[in-house]
Amino acid sequence: DIVVIQSPDSLAVSLGERATINCKFSQSLLYNSNKRNYLAWYQQKPGQSPKLLIRWASTRESGVPDRFSGSGSGTDFTLTISSLQAEDVAVYYCQQYYATPHTFGPGTKVDI
Amino acid sequence: QVQLVESGGGVVQPGRSLRLSCEASGFTFSNHGMHWVRQAPGKGLEWVAVISYDDNKDHADSVKGRFTISRDNSRNTLYLQMNSLRHEDTAVYFCAKAGPPSGSFYHYLDSWGQGTLVTVSS
Repeated sequence: DIVVIQSPDSLAVSLGERATINCKFSQSLLYNSNKRNYLAWYQQKPGQSPKLLIRWASTRESGVPDRFSGSGSGTDFTLTISSLQAEDVAVYYCQQYYATPHTFGPGTKVDI
Repeated sequence: QVQLVESGGGVVQPGRSLRLSCEASGFTFSNHGMHWVRQAPGKGLEWVAVISYDDNKDHADSVKGRFTISRDNSRNTLYLQMNSLRHEDTAVYFCAKAGPPSGSFYHYLDSWGQGTLVTVSS
């Protein structure tokens, strides 16, 4: 199984400041035939179901504010919130869909 | 718009069975892979199972041999048959739609239901 380390476990960021979350996987998520990284980021607010933010490591889902961005390739990936807003308080998960089981990171709780 | 509505959760004794359902609407159900993901109270997300549009399946090792994912395309409904339930299966179970229409297992999850709570307790 593909193992993931997500960091930090939690972080507190001032309004308007940058938040950065990292995921590192035990094997590459880059599929050579299509040059795509099989990596997604989800946001889960308290009491809600998860919401897809980023797919293919860096493609923002429709309707997601452009302060959210994804980067990285291979085994190392980053989710950046460029200017934290109050509504961004949530837990963020990375997930690989390169192979089953589709491993989720343990989550990063972002607070103000 | 896409809607996924789970049902069938509840309190069940260890060793017993339960079947979850997920009714889908707002998209062509028969063209998409579907997943179950669970979340134990206060914990993170755990992938449980996937089924392709043409009925290929895979399950997490933690549920293999006990849980079975299935679908009825005529009813736009996804199922999770859960047998031999254990305390550690207590969780909110979400169904989720795989992104683009495809027979592949390997896609992101672009729509999620609200979840149904399963509590395994004597």
